[in-house]
Amino acid sequence: QVHLVQSGAEVKKPGASVKVTCKASGYTFKDYYMHWVRQAPGQGLEWMGWINPDSGGTNFAQEFQGRVTLTSDTSISTAYMEISGLRSDDTALYYCARAAPRAFDLWGQGTMVAVSS
Amino acid sequence: VVLTQSPATLSLSPGERATLSCRASQSVRSLLAWYQQKPGQAPRLLIYDADKRATGVPARFSGSGSGTDFTLTISSLEPEDFAVYYCQQRSNWPPCSFGQGTRLEIK
Repeated sequence: QVHLVQSGAEVKKPGASVKVTCKASGYTFKDYYMHWVRQAPGQGLEWMGWINPDSGGTNFAQEFQGRVTLTSDTSISTAYMEISGLRSDDTALYYCARAAPRAFDLWGQGTMVAVSS
Repeated sequence: VVLTQSPATLSLSPGERATLSCRASQSVRSLLAWYQQKPGQAPRLLIYDADKRATGVPARFSGSGSGTDFTLTISSLEPEDFAVYYCQQRSNWPPCSFGQGTRLEIK
């Protein structure tokens, strides 16, 4: 069975950082890019960026460049997404998603990050 | 690439046919996917490459289109089909864009 299991919910103050983990199982982790997508409460899906676990290469949506860091550890099949300088509008559900050649075929369960003073 | 989905909300009854639209601001060839999201759940891949059903997706779901105009059709709605549907393109990326979603609700 293939799975992506994410870390639990977080509550952070404005200006803080948060790191979300995404552990893969049931497939060869380094063979698939991992994307991150967020969803603000009651809103649609917003693509953030991807990481190639094999090379460590990354790419980001413009609005996240410089504020989001994507890393991975192939030895434990885990991807990480860290956001710095949190703002209230970063309050959202954050998903990791495995990229098959043409679409995201496997999603984590989501991690809620709430930013509040 | 901006993806525009219509309608924003579609109200239908079980057994009826649902037709959801996704229009791209420029050609995405056939590199368009559809996802279903139910409350409290992660999105689920339904269709990729515009018209290919993902593994385990019932045959009542079908996709069509190429270039800039795409359609997701549900031939006969089941109670579990009422959800939000998103289209996504990966032709001209990054960024990898999603449509704003169509909410399919029970009439």
